[in-house]
Amino acid sequence: QVQLVQSGAEVKKPGASVKVSCKASGYTFTSYGISWVRQAPGQGLEWMGWISAYNGNTNYAQKLQGRVTMTTDTSTSTAYMELRSLRSDDTAVYYCARDQGGYFQHWGQGTLVTVSS
Amino acid sequence: EIVMTQSPATLSVSPGERATLSCRASQSVSSNLAWYQQKPGQAPRLLIYGASTRATGIPARFSGSGSGTEFTLTISSLQSEDFAVYYCQQYNNWPLYTFGQGTKLEIK
Repeated sequence: QVQLVQSGAEVKKPGASVKVSCKASGYTFTSYGISWVRQAPGQGLEWMGWISAYNGNTNYAQKLQGRVTMTTDTSTSTAYMELRSLRSDDTAVYYCARDQGGYFQHWGQGTLVTVSS
Repeated sequence: EIVMTQSPATLSVSPGERATLSCRASQSVSSNLAWYQQKPGQAPRLLIYGASTRATGIPARFSGSGSGTEFTLTISSLQSEDFAVYYCQQYNNWPLYTFGQGTKLEIK
């Protein structure tokens, strides 16, 4: 069965960077893209960006351009999302999701990133 | 950027009754629209894609309709487990997506 397993919770100081991993199993990793979605406490879902696991092409939400980088390691079927220059409003649960041509059937369990001094 | 607007923000319905949730796009997204259900502490769950196709394992009481800019999610007879937050998401400009702000479905 398809599984996306994310790395554990992180606590970071403002200005720092965080890198969240998402290990895929149960399917051919390079056949689907991965999107990252975040959710601030008590708020809605925000799409952050997409990466092709086939060729590494990316597309990021405009508001995060310049601060976010998404990568993949096909040898371990793992996707990564790095967010730099963290601010308090980056505090959120970060999800990876398998992109099935625009919609998301399979999601990771979420990773809480807390930004606090 | 395509803006997705959901209404109402909160919907109070009694178990067994029908719930109708709306989602409007700022420009046409054709039928490239998905609906998700999210319960506290859980990842979202895909309900509908292609505006009207139920995802695997989703009960028939969930149905989606619409195209262009106006979409509806209908839950025909609410069960206790259906009370949650629902989000619409457009994927017309692949791979550039946006979510609506959500509708909280609560027990009346």
